[in-house]
Amino acid sequence: AQRVTQPEKLLSVFKGAPVELKCNYSYSGSPELFWYVQYSRQRLQLLLRHISRESIKGFTADLNKGETSFHLKKPFAQEEDSAMYYCALKMGQNFVFGPGTRLSVLP
Amino acid sequence: GAGVSQSPRYKVAKRGQDVALRCDPISGHVSLFWYQQALGQGPEFLTYFQNEAQLDKSGLPSDRFFAERPEGSVSTLKIQRTQQEDSAVYLCASRYGAGGYQETQYFGPGTRLLVL
Repeated sequence: AQRVTQPEKLLSVFKGAPVELKCNYSYSGSPELFWYVQYSRQRLQLLLRHISRESIKGFTADLNKGETSFHLKKPFAQEEDSAMYYCALKMGQNFVFGPGTRLSVLP
Repeated sequence: GAGVSQSPRYKVAKRGQDVALRCDPISGHVSLFWYQQALGQGPEFLTYFQNEAQLDKSGLPSDRFFAERPEGSVSTLKIQRTQQEDSAVYLCASRYGAGGYQETQYFGPGTRLLVL
């Protein structure tokens, strides 16, 4: 069963527009969720985790247990935000990643 | 300091060959993970080490896959009798501790394996 879903393979927005990358999860326990990002020609790296309730590079994500979602949002997209974004669920020591969404921010 | 390194970066193997992929984690990192990332997919968990102990190998797809970390630092992922479906990027990640909530995984650049 797919534990983490990201319904959009590709999301294109114009610079300055709001962006929301969707993530839904399936987990019966207390979820621990993350967003990872991979910029072109760079390594996969942590963007943010729900437990820290932080904002990184203007991005925020709120865990909604009722909707089992952890959508990533930014009010004003920048060209440098163009990258692959992966939502991930920690299950014990096992991390389950979604299939990823490629964000393209157009000038 | 140096990050996680992996070698080789690219590997082409003929079907049926054995391959060995190496991961050098960040020095002093206790935890080490291996993932397999097929084209167009997210990383899929293969196995987890805490020091030299392999605590979780539930993600290894078959008994052709074997991982070790004998001295609790460098790790090797070995694939025997490679098949075309083994073609993927193999990612290694390390983490300082055993998983406190503030701890971060640091990923290597990956090894791209192509089985012909």
